Amino acid sequence: EVQLVESGGGLVQPGGSLRLSCAASGFTFNTYSMNWVRQTPKKGLEWVSFIDSISSTIYYADSVKGRFTISRDNAKSSLYLQMNSLRAEDTAVYYCARQTGYYRIGYFQHWGPGTLVTVSS
Amino acid sequence: QSVLTQPPSASGTPGQRVTISCSGSSSNIGSNTVNWYQQLPGTAPKLLIYTNNQRPSGVPDRFSGSKSGTSASLAISGLQSEDEADYYCAAWHDSLSGWVFGGGTKLTVL
Repeated sequence: EVQLVESGGGLVQPGGSLRLSCAASGFTFNTYSMNWVRQTPKKGLEWVSFIDSISSTIYYADSVKGRFTISRDNAKSSLYLQMNSLRAEDTAVYYCARQTGYYRIGYFQHWGPGTLVTVSS
Repeated sequence: QSVLTQPPSASGTPGQRVTISCSGSSSNIGSNTVNWYQQLPGTAPKLLIYTNNQRPSGVPDRFSGSKSGTSASLAISGLQSEDEADYYCAAWHDSLSGWVFGGGTKLTVL
């Protein structure tokens, strides 16, 4: 059974940093592209970042470019999101999602339960 | 404001057929496939329809998807109370090099 479990969320002050992790199991992690997607009640679902199976192709949403860094450790079946210079508008539930298919024709087949990030003083 | 446009709400009575629209542009829906996600209250999103009209195993055939030009639609026939959820469309956006979502449609079963 495919499982994705996020961790690392919490309360952080504006300008601070946080590192999210996503532990994957139940599938061959190093053959799938992965994404981070966040959700707020006001803005709904917002894609954050994409990384392919060998970390050779990475994309970011404009809203996080230059502040967030996606990475993965295939030996540990783990996905990461380093978030720096956090802002109040980064407050959201962050999901990791396994992508099936090449990006423009792919889809998010599996999602983790999410981890809440709150940016507030 | 989301790149893909969905109606914020939809409703129907049990047994009815409802459709949810998703409007985009030539840079996203017009040139790429569309996926739909269902989010039940308090849970993570779940893949409902992929590649415009394909259902993952376990998704009832009451759910169907279609795409024409720069728009897509999700249809739910034989509406049931457990279909009450938020529904999101998504597609790859070529010039943004990223995924874009619709703002979501809250479906209420009356």
